[in-house]
Amino acid sequence: GENVEQHPSTLSVQEGDSAVIKCTYSDSASNYFPWYKQELGKRPQLIIDIRSNVGEKKDQRIAVTLNKTAKHFSLHITETQPEDSAVYFCAASGTSYGKLTFGQGTILTVHP
Amino acid sequence: SAVISQKPSRDICQRGTSLTIQCQVDSQVTMMFWYRQQPGQSLTLIATANQGSEATYESGFVIDKFPISRPNLTFSTLTVSNMSPEDSSIYLCSVVWVRGEVNEQFFGPGTRLTVL
Repeated sequence: GENVEQHPSTLSVQEGDSAVIKCTYSDSASNYFPWYKQELGKRPQLIIDIRSNVGEKKDQRIAVTLNKTAKHFSLHITETQPEDSAVYFCAASGTSYGKLTFGQGTILTVHP
Repeated sequence: SAVISQKPSRDICQRGTSLTIQCQVDSQVTMMFWYRQQPGQSLTLIATANQGSEATYESGFVIDKFPISRPNLTFSTLTVSNMSPEDSSIYLCSVVWVRGEVNEQFFGPGTRLTVL
């Protein structure tokens, strides 16, 4: 089955800096890669996703890049703010919609 | 996007008992799923809740332990049977929302289960 590795497990940045979280996946058939933000005690919230026919997608301060050949994808957050502090999860799925395999999560802390 | 609600939001249960968690969606969705998030961990798919047929379970999860019902396109239940402290987790319902050619996946608020 699919295996998703996520790094780093914790990330601490100063407000205004950029943050990058990286994930690798094992199944070359995977074609959907969402990113979720989970604040303490809350549900995971979809913040951005990318499909295998696209190399990069951007939404305001967040962007995701995908390298299908290397089987890795990354989340980029620019101009970080304290409100960005949360746990971020990457995930991957193939043709079976909804069957996501999650990475281990990254605890992002943005210091004011 | 779909609005997903779950009941109960949290519960504390005794070892050996069972708990049924309900998931309600405000619109019809084809695909519903149940995930588990153990304390401080990532999310793991338990099963796909199939409308009108038996659920499809992932490796490591069995129907006797996690029976699932899906009587219609807006509702599903997950039962955690014969509970042990290792079942203490957050259980989340999830749906795939289809907008034209775009599919997005959303999660319910979760049910926080503590087994004593």
